[in-house]
Order: sequence, then C-alpha cells, then structure tokens
Amino acid sequence: DSGVTQTPKHLITATGQRVTLRCSPRSGDLSVYWYQQSLDQGLQFLIQYYNGEERAKGNILERFSAQQFPDLHSELNLSSLELGDSALYFCASSALATGEQYFGPGTRLTVT
Amino acid sequence: GENVEQHPSTLSVQEGDSAVIKCTYSDSASNYFPWYKQELGKGPQLIIDIRSNVGEKKDQRIAVTLNKTAKHFSLHITETQPEDSAVYFCAASSNFGNEKLTFGTGTRLTIIP
Repeated sequence: DSGVTQTPKHLITATGQRVTLRCSPRSGDLSVYWYQQSLDQGLQFLIQYYNGEERAKGNILERFSAQQFPDLHSELNLSSLELGDSALYFCASSALATGEQYFGPGTRLTVT
Repeated sequence: GENVEQHPSTLSVQEGDSAVIKCTYSDSASNYFPWYKQELGKGPQLIIDIRSNVGEKKDQRIAVTLNKTAKHFSLHITETQPEDSAVYFCAASSNFGNEKLTFGTGTRLTIIP
C-alpha cells in the first residue's frame, strides 16, 4: 500500500458527460501528479500541483482540469467525455526532499 | 522534451535465472531514474531508483546501473521468482524527481516455473 488513495475505483459514463476523480496524497506529501495510462499512449503525465499551486502541465486536454485543495487532496475533472478518454487515471504524490513518486491504485474510466 | 525508450517489450526467463531490462533517455538534464513494477489491476509500484550522481544501486535481488555518457540505464533482477512476473516501467525526470516522470513503454516479464 503506497499510502495514496484514489476514488472511485471504477467509473462508467456516457459520452458528453463530466466526471470528477479524487486523490488523497501520502501524509505530508505536498506534490500531487496526475497520469493517464492507455494502451496506445502508455503512461502520460497530465498535470502537477505543489501545495495548492499548479506547477507543471503535460499533454492535458482543455476539457480536463484539476485542482489541489488546502487539505492537499486533489481532484481531476474530465468534461465533454469522448470514447478515447477511456483509460486508467493515476495520481501520485511525492515529498520535496526525496522526489520519489508513489502511485495510487488508479481510477478506471470507461466512456460508452 | 524527454524521450525514454525501453527494451525488450516482453521477456520470459526461467525461474532462478536473471532478467535485464534496458532503457535509454534523450535529455541530458534528466537526473533521476526510477523503476516501477505494475501488477494487473494495480498502480505502478516504485521498486528502485537511481540519481545521476551514482553509477549503480542495489537492493537485495534488484539492481540498477546508470551510464550518463551513453544516456542509458538498466534494471537487473537476479534469482527470479514467480512473483516477479509483472510489467516493469523505467522513467526519467529532472530536478531529482520533483518534476514529471517520462515513462518507457514497459516490459512484460514472465517467470517460467
């Protein structure tokens, strides 16, 4: 158990809908990262937050957004969902001192 | 940006033998190289990492080597066991891991009993 929690575990929704994925980092970690894992694209970085502030963006679609709250949990919002958004979404957290990123169990999103 | 290549994509070894997975990276600014093991239905699990100021790191049956000049690093698993069967990913990052990870495409390792 990495100490990173993600909810929900599975999500099935229809095209055009909006969903919110939630992540709680390890105790004391200020950095949260979101990654997408799909069969054709592999593991891809989406966005990073550090202590509530956006720090880096990867290939994140404009339909996707994220935030990190004062209690350090983070949410990834996916809107106007398309079939191609079906994937595993992972959250990872790290401590500044070590840089080691620990991953949560992921949310499997299926868009039908 | 950074590009990480990983080989082989699949690897089968007899139980007890060694397994080696190799990765190359393109960005000389990368200085942190972790390895992750992913089992079916689970998130990637950090198994070992190396920073650019060392050439080799070992933890029991697993070891990682880094050649900065050639921009490649490798994972070595000795005395393989059935529970080592999984998908392994290499990754690269700068700022000693405090930035995004760029992943390789993964190696599916199968240990044959």
